[in-house]
Amino acid sequence: SQQGEEDPQALSIQEGENATMNCSYKTSINNLQWYRQNSGRGLVHLILIRSNEREKHSGRLRVTLDTSKKSSSLLITASRAADTASYFCATDVGSGSRLTFGEGTQLTVNP
Amino acid sequence: SAVISQKPSRDICQRGTSLTIQCQVDSQVTMMFWYRQQPGQSLTLIATANQGSEATYESGFVIDKFPISRPNLTFSTLTVSNLSPEDSSIYLCSVGKGLTQETQYFGPGTRLLVL
Repeated sequence: SQQGEEDPQALSIQEGENATMNCSYKTSINNLQWYRQNSGRGLVHLILIRSNEREKHSGRLRVTLDTSKKSSSLLITASRAADTASYFCATDVGSGSRLTFGEGTQLTVNP
Repeated sequence: SAVISQKPSRDICQRGTSLTIQCQVDSQVTMMFWYRQQPGQSLTLIATANQGSEATYESGFVIDKFPISRPNLTFSTLTVSNLSPEDSSIYLCSVGKGLTQETQYFGPGTRLLVL
């Protein structure tokens, strides 16, 4: 079964707005990662946050991790039409780098 | 980072046949993985492809249905055997890179349709 659950399942916003996606998981983790997938193609790694970190930034991306609540959020600021994609969280429980993916959020940014 | 190619990019197969998917990496890697993504769903790990030994399969996946080869540190194949329409999915390979090999880089995927 999937480790992670994401919400919302779908999000539609206007260009320039911020987009927030949430991920919850069930077991203790080594790290949590966010990936983007455009139109059923390969995934692109966005950011990794370790279990002892609470917040991380990369460009327009901000990721938070709350291990007490077993949840993470991905914030994309000043969104662009090119950000339209599916976003997945993935957890690594420290067992040979095997990842368990959440259900994903489909983000649509309207120009 | 890593550059990963997969062949074929897509295929249409008849039920009962098999399809072998190739994954080629531009550098030597230890960790190599195969995932399945069913239509409209998330990714599910099929197995870890180990160089020089048998693949390690996740619960629900068996070697007879998904035989995997890993002849060297830059190449792997996944065969999907005895195809049925339920096998219609995108199949992706990935590799672990970086100091701790925690970050995974994905190939473009192979889109399979079984009629």
